[in-house]
Amino acid sequence: QKEVEQDPGPLSVPEGAIVSLNCTYSNSAFQYFMWYRQYSRKGPELLMYTYSSGNKEDGRFTAQVDKSSKYISLFIRDSQPSDSATYLCATNSGGFKTIFGAGTRLFVKA
Amino acid sequence: SAVISQKPSRDICQRGTSLTIQCQVDSQVTMMFWYRQQPGQSLTLIATANQGSEATYESGFVIDKFPISRPNLTFSTLTVSNMSPEDSSIYLCSVDTGDNLFYGYTFGSGTRLTVV
Repeated sequence: QKEVEQDPGPLSVPEGAIVSLNCTYSNSAFQYFMWYRQYSRKGPELLMYTYSSGNKEDGRFTAQVDKSSKYISLFIRDSQPSDSATYLCATNSGGFKTIFGAGTRLFVKA
Repeated sequence: SAVISQKPSRDICQRGTSLTIQCQVDSQVTMMFWYRQQPGQSLTLIATANQGSEATYESGFVIDKFPISRPNLTFSTLTVSNMSPEDSSIYLCSVDTGDNLFYGYTFGSGTRLTVV
């Protein structure tokens, strides 16, 4: 079993839709939960992170962590074509050893 | 956060040859990290490079195959040696984002390697 599981997609939505991206993880020691966005032919960029359980909002993006079910979510409101990218969830215990999901490819159609 | 320049951005190489990837950071950093991203797979840490010491390799990666140099606090190289088609992948250099609260990464744009 992988430590972090993520549906590879692709996920295709119309512009303006609410997007839900999800991951599950297996190690309860993980404390920090991150989402990276990776455009084609670019390196991943850190989008946002949360510590422990709860929600965090940044503009159109909301990250949610449920440690009881080991479930990580990223919601994108009013999705735009510029949101088309691969989204990687990631987690660590506070050190640099980070476990990444394989990424979900998202296409937002104009 | 730091800006990372990585080159080459892509290359097509013959099997049995070696390729050296360069990573330049616009600020001094203690640790630099090299990752591999294979199609459909998660990012995998190859090694951690500290200036002035030998790189620390993760399980499944060895120095003979992936020698790393770290001559100063802003530069590192990763060499992929004696390449085979299985080495075709994206190789990424990264550094800590510098956030004091947690460990996140800033990545370079990556090197897309194809071995034929």
